[in-house]
Amino acid sequence: AQSVTQLDSHVSVSEGTPVLLRCNYSSSYSPSLFWYVQHPNKGLQLLLKYTSAATLVKGINGFEAEFKKSETSFHLTKPSAHMSDAAEYFCVVSDQAGYSTLTFGKGTMLLVSP
Amino acid sequence: EPEVTQTPSHQVTQMGQEVILRCVPISNHLYFYWYRQILGQKVEFLVSFYNNEISEKSEIFDDQFSVERPDGSNFTLKIRSTKLEDSAMYFCASSASQINSPLHFGNGTRLTVT
Repeated sequence: AQSVTQLDSHVSVSEGTPVLLRCNYSSSYSPSLFWYVQHPNKGLQLLLKYTSAATLVKGINGFEAEFKKSETSFHLTKPSAHMSDAAEYFCVVSDQAGYSTLTFGKGTMLLVSP
Repeated sequence: EPEVTQTPSHQVTQMGQEVILRCVPISNHLYFYWYRQILGQKVEFLVSFYNNEISEKSEIFDDQFSVERPDGSNFTLKIRSTKLEDSAMYFCASSASQINSPLHFGNGTRLTVT
């Protein structure tokens, strides 16, 4: 069975400073990993995905994540936060075999101050 | 960009009543899903649907729940006799295929059972 642990429920940064949202996973198979973002009153938007190709994955809005098998981690980073990045971020894992069963982390709320 | 649309955005119902949550998946997608998020908890998988059949369901998806694709565009989730604990945000999602095709989520329906 797969699981995801997001290590921080809230992360606060200042605009223009780097963002780091941490995620550790557990999976019985070679995992597919995703980051989704949810802005207030909006749906879940896919930021990026890892599916066993390059370990450094680039996503939308300047975000990227690095898959580290030895550390079972898939942390999300961005060099410079923008006010519009304030949202809730979910780390998600799926079996390699298919995407129908996604297991979500509890989410990390990113707060960006001016 | 094509979107998954869900209606209504909010639904309030009394305990014991039936509710139907509606979703219009992206038009060329073949796989459909329902997830839910109880306030303060993780997003949880409910059910996946393909070729007019349930392909996978979780323990949450008991006999009170059913899904249907009544026509070529809508995908519905019915809860026969709502309970207080059914109060949650319900997300519909669709994907073009089961492999190497990420899920696209709608904005969700917030269901409140009183």
